[in-house]
Amino acid sequence: EADIYQTPRYLVIGTGKKITLECSQTMGHDKMYWYQQDPGMELHLIHYSYGVNSTEKGDLSSESTVSRIRTEHFPLTLESARPSHTSQYLCASSDPSGGGYGYTFGSGTRLTVV
Amino acid sequence: AQSVTQPDIHITVSEGASLELRCNYSYGATPYLFWYVQSPGQGLQLLLKYFSGDTLVQGIKGFEAEFKRSQSSFNLRKPSVHWSDAAEYFCAVGAGQAGTALIFGKGTTLSVSS
Repeated sequence: EADIYQTPRYLVIGTGKKITLECSQTMGHDKMYWYQQDPGMELHLIHYSYGVNSTEKGDLSSESTVSRIRTEHFPLTLESARPSHTSQYLCASSDPSGGGYGYTFGSGTRLTVV
Repeated sequence: AQSVTQPDIHITVSEGASLELRCNYSYGATPYLFWYVQSPGQGLQLLLKYFSGDTLVQGIKGFEAEFKRSQSSFNLRKPSVHWSDAAEYFCAVGAGQAGTALIFGKGTTLSVSS
């Protein structure tokens, strides 16, 4: 049973549209992450947050933005979608126990921009 | 900089045969090491992790991995593969401060033949 939820699971959208990918977790984790995953490629960190009102950009440059107003919610927004944004987006949160590496992943959002 | 290499992009194993997936990492100190599995259309599920202590770690679904510092490796093994093991497998390293985002390899796709 998943404790971290991503919606929508699949999204096809036209170029130039604004979209928000939702991610919510019920575990009370402070640390949350967004990864971008393309076929045959490693997962790339695009954003992370260590708590409310804390957001940082990851290693991979991304035109998306994130917010963390509530502990459980970490949405990702694209102001103007482009075909280059087509990818799978994975949200994760981490547990303070286990050395801080108890990662739980959501099921992902597969985004296609046409 | 930290990095993870999974040399095999795709492996096919007969059902019932043994499996070994290779993972090499680059990091100056003792890393935190992980193996994740991803089924089609799903998020990542943690198979096992190594933080310290015994270099042979047991995970879920009958998987095990061995940390070899001298070889900078953390190979995943299973003595007898089942058809349901067909999936993509990711090795990851966490380095530095606990809770720092993980760095992933490009993944190995496992196919199981009957």
